[in-house]
Amino acid sequence: QKEVEQNSGPLSVPEGAIASLNCTYSDRGSQSFFWYRQYSGKSPELIMFIYSNGDKEDGRFTAQLNKASQYVSLLIRDSQPSDSATYLCAVRFSYDKVIFGPGTSLSVIP
Amino acid sequence: NAGVTQNPKFQVLKTGQSMTLQCAQDMNHNSMYWYRQDPGMGLRLIYYSASEGTTDKGEVPNGYNVSRLNKREFSLRLESAAPSQTSVYFCASSPLVPYEQYFGPGTRLTVT
Repeated sequence: QKEVEQNSGPLSVPEGAIASLNCTYSDRGSQSFFWYRQYSGKSPELIMFIYSNGDKEDGRFTAQLNKASQYVSLLIRDSQPSDSATYLCAVRFSYDKVIFGPGTSLSVIP
Repeated sequence: NAGVTQNPKFQVLKTGQSMTLQCAQDMNHNSMYWYRQDPGMGLRLIYYSASEGTTDKGEVPNGYNVSRLNKREFSLRLESAAPSQTSVYFCASSPLVPYEQYFGPGTRLTVT
C-alpha cells in the first residue's frame, strides 16, 4: 500500500515567521513530488513540484526533497494571513498514478 | 483559457437517481482524473484516463463509471446514487512529465 503522510495540524505561525510543512512517503521509487494549496471551499492549486534531491525555491516558497529519508517539505518564508489554507502533499509513484496526503491546515496569525 | 471546467457546480440527488458529472479541459493535456474529497479523508482517486481511449480504476471506483469522450472531455457517471456518495468531486488534468495536475472548481453533490 503506497502511502503519503502529513501532520493534519492545525499548524499556527505568527505573521512574518517561517512555516514548515512536512510530508513522508512510503515508496522509494517515487519520482515526482508536488505541493498544492487549498483554500476552504475551493479547489487545490499547484504551488510547486520537485523531483531532484535538494531545494527548489519559488518566491517565498522552498520545497526540499530527501529521497534517502523519503521526506519532502515546504517552507513558507514571511508567512502572511493569506497563506492560511490547507497544504496538500502529492507523490507520483508511477506513470500517471499520484497519491495525495491528507493535508496540513496552516493558520497564520496577524 | 478556461483551464478545467466542471458542471454542474452543485447537485442534490435522491437515493437511486443517476447523473453524469461533466469535465472539460482546454490545455491539450493527455491525462485526466476524477477525485472525491471528504472531510478528514483527503483526495481519493476514483478513475483516471492516461490518454484518449483509455481509463483505469483508482482507489475508490465502486459505484462510478467514466467515459473519456475525446481528449478534452472526461465524464463521471453515478448510475444509482447512494448517500455514501455525498462528497465534493474534483476533475483534474495533467500534461506529460512531471504530471502536475490542474483542478477544476469542483461539484458539490448531496445524496439524500
